[in-house]
Formats: sequence, structure tokens, C-alpha cells
Amino acid sequence: DIQMTQSPSSLSASVGDRVTITCRASQSISSYLNWYQQKPGKAPKLLIYAASSLQSGVPSRFSGSGSGTDFTLTISSLQPEDFATYYCQQSYSTASITFGQGTRLEIK
Amino acid sequence: QLQLQESGSGLVKPSQTLSLTCAVSGGSISSGGYSWSWIRQPPGKGLEWIGYIYHSGSTYYNPSLKSRVTISVDRSKNQFSLKLSSVTAADTAVYYCAREYYYGSGSYYSYFDYWGQGTLVTVSS
Repeated sequence: DIQMTQSPSSLSASVGDRVTITCRASQSISSYLNWYQQKPGKAPKLLIYAASSLQSGVPSRFSGSGSGTDFTLTISSLQPEDFATYYCQQSYSTASITFGQGTRLEIK
Repeated sequence: QLQLQESGSGLVKPSQTLSLTCAVSGGSISSGGYSWSWIRQPPGKGLEWIGYIYHSGSTYYNPSLKSRVTISVDRSKNQFSLKLSSVTAADTAVYYCAREYYYGSGSYYSYFDYWGQGTLVTVSS
């Protein structure tokens, strides 16, 4: 299995801050990397696919970058509705999809 | 607008079989370019992919669950199902169904674009 490791596991930030979350794969996955946002009691929501493509309807303050083993999700200016848990997911190995352990973004 | 809705037993006894169904509306489960997945999330923990079934009927399962999982499709009802046998307390989780969309040529990218709202299954005697 391809292991996905996110850092940090939790993060405190303020409205207006620029935030970066990192995801590292245990082997190269090219750009087969997606990012999801999950709010309590809700299903995950796709934000970024193929490492850097913004899903339709997602605010432009969200961006993704990286390839190979190292990826980042950046929120350029945090809004109140962005406080949630974020997951990365690799789709390189379609026979064994894996997610990162999640990064909880909290209000400072 | 595509919608997915999970249904099934919310309480399962240890050693028994968990059974869930995901009803798909607003689109055909037989359409090419998609697979239909089950993903679970234990309380307070992260997401774990269980497996999926392609529109063709081919299935892929998480290696750690493979011996206990069966995913099937009922095209006449536009739904797909999950069976997980020999459950233990460790299988207690919110279970989501989701659609995975594939695109590209040669090498295919994919992502989960539609999800059900999730259903909590508790394993307890």
C-alpha cells in the first residue's frame, strides 16, 4: 500500500491567515493526489484533484501544488467556513486507494 | 444532480454480517467512466477506503478487508451494496458510499466527486 502522511495533524490559525498543509506519499504518485474538506457530521467534499486542479465551485483561495511524493494544500486567506478537517488521497494505485490521516484546522 | 443515499442496519452483532445499500439517483450506475465505492470512518478517526465496483462489474477491495468484503450492483434498482462479514467492534464506523470519476487518456486520473451523507453502523451485542 502507498502510505500518505499529512502534517501537521492539527493546526490553529486565525481568520485571514495563510495556511499550508503538507501531504507526503511513501512512493512517487506523480500528480495522482486529491484534497478533501470535511466538516463535522458531513461527508468529505472535493477541493483539489490531480494535485493542482480546482474543483468547480471551490473558492480560489484554495490551491494545491506538488508532484512525486510531496504535495501542499494552501488556503491563501482563511475564512470562518474553512475551519474543518482536510484529507489528502492518492489515486495512483487504483487497486488500493489510501487517504492521509487528516489535518484538523482550528480557530486560534 | 446526482445523489447517493445509504441504507441498512445501524446495529450489527459481533461475528455477523454488515449489509448496506447505496441508492443512486440523478444518474445511471451503468454509465461508463465511473466506479462506485464504499469508504468508512471510525468515530473520531480518518477515512478508510473499503472497495469499489466498476460500471463493468469488476471489483477491487482494500487488501486489509478483502477476505470479508463483497460489493455488488443491482442495475435494475440503480444501486450497489456492501457486505462485510465477521464484524467486530473495530468495524464500528460511519459508512459512506461515493462515486469515483475517471478521466484522461492512457493514464487515468480519478477522484471522489459525489458522496452519500453517511450512515453510522455500530457493532455491539
